Amino acid sequence: QVQLVESGGALVKPGGSLRLSCVVSGFTFTGYYMSWIRQAPGKGLEWVSYISIGGSTVYYADSVEGRFTISRDNVKNSLYLQMNDLRDDDTAVYYCAREGGPNWADHWGQGTLVTVSS
Amino acid sequence: DIQMTQSPSSLSASVGDRVSLTCRASQTINIHLHWYQQKRGAAPKLLIYEASKLQSGVPSRFSGSGSGTDFNLTISSLQSEDFATYYCQQSYITPRTFGQGTKVEIK
Repeated sequence: QVQLVESGGALVKPGGSLRLSCVVSGFTFTGYYMSWIRQAPGKGLEWVSYISIGGSTVYYADSVEGRFTISRDNVKNSLYLQMNDLRDDDTAVYYCAREGGPNWADHWGQGTLVTVSS
Repeated sequence: DIQMTQSPSSLSASVGDRVSLTCRASQTINIHLHWYQQKRGAAPKLLIYEASKLQSGVPSRFSGSGSGTDFNLTISSLQSEDFATYYCQQSYITPRTFGQGTKVEIK
């Protein structure tokens, strides 16, 4: 079955960096766009970033543009999110998601918590 | 950005009730509207894509309708496992945006 497993969440100080990973299984990774979507504690959902199959097309929300970098390794069936210059308002559960269509998230990981605090 | 507004913000209902949730877009989005269910402490789950298409494995008591700016998610007979928060999401243009959610609670 389709599985997405995130890792890398941690407590980090403002201005710090973190790299999230998502390893997938149960489907052909090279057939799908992939995304990161986040949810601040007690809040709604925000689409952070997505990447095309070959990696040539990427999108970032304005709130993370210039600070976050999405990438993928199609050999390792893995998706990544490099997060630099972290701010308090980046605190959230970060979900890795497979894109159906693309344009909607048809499978989600369990999420990894990133906490930015001094 | 396209703003997505869901109503109501919360509702109380009983098992067996027919429930309808609304999502309104700030501009036309054709049928590029998707619905998710999120239970407490869990990741969201896709229920409906492109306004009315039922995701594989989702019970047929869930249905979606609408186009343009106004959309509905209907649960024909509410079950105990349906108590959750429901989000709509548009993909007509980037940024892809979500509604603020409707929480369905037990009466």
